[in-house]
Amino acid sequence: QVTLRESGPALVKPTQTLTLTCSFSGFSLSTNGMCVSWIRQPPGTALEWLARVNWDDHKYYSTSLKTRLTISKDTSKNQVILTMTDMDPVDTATYYCARMIYGGPFDYWGPGTLVTVSS
Amino acid sequence: DIVLTQSPGTLSLSPGERATLSCRASQSVTNRYLAWYQQRPGQAPRLLIYGASSRAPGIPDRFSGSGSGTDFTLTISRLEPEDFAVYYCQQYGSSRTFGEGTKVEIK
Repeated sequence: QVTLRESGPALVKPTQTLTLTCSFSGFSLSTNGMCVSWIRQPPGTALEWLARVNWDDHKYYSTSLKTRLTISKDTSKNQVILTMTDMDPVDTATYYCARMIYGGPFDYWGPGTLVTVSS
Repeated sequence: DIVLTQSPGTLSLSPGERATLSCRASQSVTNRYLAWYQQRPGQAPRLLIYGASSRAPGIPDRFSGSGSGTDFTLTISRLEPEDFAVYYCQQYGSSRTFGEGTKVEIK
């Protein structure tokens, strides 16, 4: 079955760079049509899509955050990595990774990882 | 980016009642590429509906979706205790955007 799990630091300081890893199983990012996205949710608020990487290594970013985000994949390890630079307290959120099939919705989600930005 | 506006912000209902949630898009959603997700406290979102009206695998038939263009609706025919949660719409026809959510709470 398809599973995803996020990992990374629970606490980062302002101005630092955040690196999150999404480890998944049950599908391969080398299969045509497979994609993985990152989505975040600040406490008590709505979901915000951040970035996506496709099976063909095409990458897409949120317009408002594209200068701070980098997404990459390691197909051999079944992992997707997200880096976000210049972290600020407003970036405090639960960060999710989710699978989508090209042109479709997010059909499987990881449980999420809470990242707090504080000095 | 397409902006999705959900209403109402909170819906107070009793178990067994019918819930009707609205999602309005700032421009037409391509090919009815509109999904609905349920999020219970402390959990990740769960896909309920995709393509505006198709139920995801394992989703009970009390959940139904409808609409096209800019106006979409999620209906829960008879609320079960586990249905009290927050519901988000999301469009995937042009990039990806989410609505602000509707909380369905017990009256």
